[in-house]
Amino acid sequence: IAGITQAPTSQILAAGRRMTLRCTQDMRHNAMYWYRQDLGLGLRLIHYSNTAGTTGKGEVPDGYSVSRANTDDFPLTLASAVPSQTSVYFCASSLDRNNEQFFGPGTRLTVL
Amino acid sequence: AQKITQTQPGMFVQEKEAVTLDCTYDTSDPSYGLFWYKQPSSGEMIFLIYQGSYDQQNATEGRYSLNFQKARKSANLVISASQLGDSAMYFCAMNNNQGGKLIFGQGTELSVKP
Repeated sequence: IAGITQAPTSQILAAGRRMTLRCTQDMRHNAMYWYRQDLGLGLRLIHYSNTAGTTGKGEVPDGYSVSRANTDDFPLTLASAVPSQTSVYFCASSLDRNNEQFFGPGTRLTVL
Repeated sequence: AQKITQTQPGMFVQEKEAVTLDCTYDTSDPSYGLFWYKQPSSGEMIFLIYQGSYDQQNATEGRYSLNFQKARKSANLVISASQLGDSAMYFCAMNNNQGGKLIFGQGTELSVKP
């Protein structure tokens, strides 16, 4: 692994289903983030974690949850997916909260 | 509240020419960071350049430079000697000293003509 990996690359999901998007980094970065990117709205922060064991809410947290059990992994869970959660999801990490963020390749999620 | 504004939805530039992508920001925090990212059609987000609010000099990274005008609250990206591979979406973003949460602008789509 080099950098940040996300899985799956893309997913089509039925509304009401539970889904976890995976994110792993091998750079030993302390901070990690989840963004969603929608046409015309740019990237918006969903949740973040400044260090393992802590998480915080971003701009659009409703319908999503995260956990940070260790430094490397930061999964994003949709407990009951809705069509408005159709988006491209990016995971990012930074050495600490004030450094530049490096992004994963993204997950394209479609909720029908 | 913080806000980033990119007023140019699309820009065209001739290959080998320089181009400036505009970015203005709004914040009441004295300490903040400004970032530019490139998103090619393949979708990945690539970090280009960073400017801290207390930095005395404009940031430069190869062909990229950031024209930081603090009083005007602007952080324009200048790309010198444009290349065809520079065609992409460009996003301006900022954070503050309360955390790494980035606020993004809506982006500018740059097209480089041969």
